[in-house]
Amino acid sequence: ELKVEQNPLFLSMQEGKNYTIYCNYSTTSDRLYWYRQDPGKSLESLFVLLSNGAVKQEGRLMASLDTKARLSTLHITAAVHDLSATYFCAVGNTGNQFYFGTGTSLTVIP
Amino acid sequence: DAEITQSPRHKITETGRQVTLACHQTWNHNNMFWYRQDLGHGLRLIHYSYGVQDTNKGEVSDGYSVSRSNTEDLPLTLESAASSQTSVYFCASSADRGRGDTQYFGPGTRLTVL
Repeated sequence: ELKVEQNPLFLSMQEGKNYTIYCNYSTTSDRLYWYRQDPGKSLESLFVLLSNGAVKQEGRLMASLDTKARLSTLHITAAVHDLSATYFCAVGNTGNQFYFGTGTSLTVIP
Repeated sequence: DAEITQSPRHKITETGRQVTLACHQTWNHNNMFWYRQDLGHGLRLIHYSYGVQDTNKGEVSDGYSVSRSNTEDLPLTLESAASSQTSVYFCASSADRGRGDTQYFGPGTRLTVL
């Protein structure tokens, strides 16, 4: 069974600072997805990473995938309050079934 | 605009009752999925379907069933609701599993079993 671990589970950071969220998974996959969830809301797709070395950037967020290390990172640059949310990574298999991490709850403090 | 909707958005039921949660998508996606979200567990896959008349069990399928009679809908049925099934349920869909397409999620249904 595919296991997905995210860390940290909770992250409190000051505005303007940089930080990285890590997503490790247990079996081979080259399909990695990042989502954002605001409190009481649905999941919003942020990034789709489909090959080793893939890097995607959108605004202050950048995601990367290292399939050999079974690791994806979500890097936050110069955090702003609007980035406060819970971030999930999910690993996909060839059947497009997703296995989610437990999420990282990010709070950006002014 | 294409979308995925769920109903009801909130439901309170009693132990032992049968409950059906609706999911409807207008993306014309072949693949549809049901997840439950619980604190400390992230999202876990309940059932999924790759097309009409196709259904498959996910990692937490006990006590749940689905049927797929058309492309747009995948209703989730709790045969005999239990308190352990109190959760937030999300439906999702995707276009092409071979390409690794992302899944698009509905707004969720909050179910409470008393």
